[in-house]
Amino acid sequence: NAGVTQTPKFRILKIGQSMTLQCTQDMNHNYMYWYRQDPGMGLKLIYYSVGAGITDKGEVPNGYNVSRSTTEDFPLRLELAAPSQTSVYFCASTSAGTLNEQYFGPGTRLTVT
Amino acid sequence: QQPVQSPQAVILREGEDAVINCSSSKALYSVHWYRQKHGEAPVFLMILLKGGEQKGHEKISASFNEKKQQSSLYLTASQLSYSGTYFCGTGGNYGQNFVFGPGTRLSVLP
Repeated sequence: NAGVTQTPKFRILKIGQSMTLQCTQDMNHNYMYWYRQDPGMGLKLIYYSVGAGITDKGEVPNGYNVSRSTTEDFPLRLELAAPSQTSVYFCASTSAGTLNEQYFGPGTRLTVT
Repeated sequence: QQPVQSPQAVILREGEDAVINCSSSKALYSVHWYRQKHGEAPVFLMILLKGGEQKGHEKISASFNEKKQQSSLYLTASQLSYSGTYFCGTGGNYGQNFVFGPGTRLSVLP
């Protein structure tokens, strides 16, 4: 099993550009999460999904969109990138909500200039 | 609402013990603990569930006081590899709105 994979690893965007961060898991997990982590800070939940076709906002959803058309994939879309979105983005998945551990991907380091 | 962690940072010598605390103003269904090393993704340590069940790392212990909505992580006989930032996390009973605490930075010196 590859676990949770994220692409790209690094990306530099100009202000106003858009991009999609990819997240794929091969563990057949229903629950998937997107977090952002600013330098020296904790993880903030952006969006989460409890199954294919079901998504909901987390703590900091503004400026982002998600979709979940399959169990495996949970892409995060940034529209009109702003410097405030410079961060490390982690995707995670779990089989049973808060009852089991979250498996994290390696992260995508995004810089918006 | 974000859980509160204390202390913010702690420095230990190898072999010393440490306790990291996590508390919430909301009822807790479970408490997760993760460790993150610089430049890496968080790694699972332990889950504590209502009713006393625990899942996780054999060499790390933790407690969960459901009434007080608090959890503590106990690191005994610390090793250099224990260095990193420790996060507690809580969420709704169906995994919704999972929230991490701000983290406790642990440094273990030789």
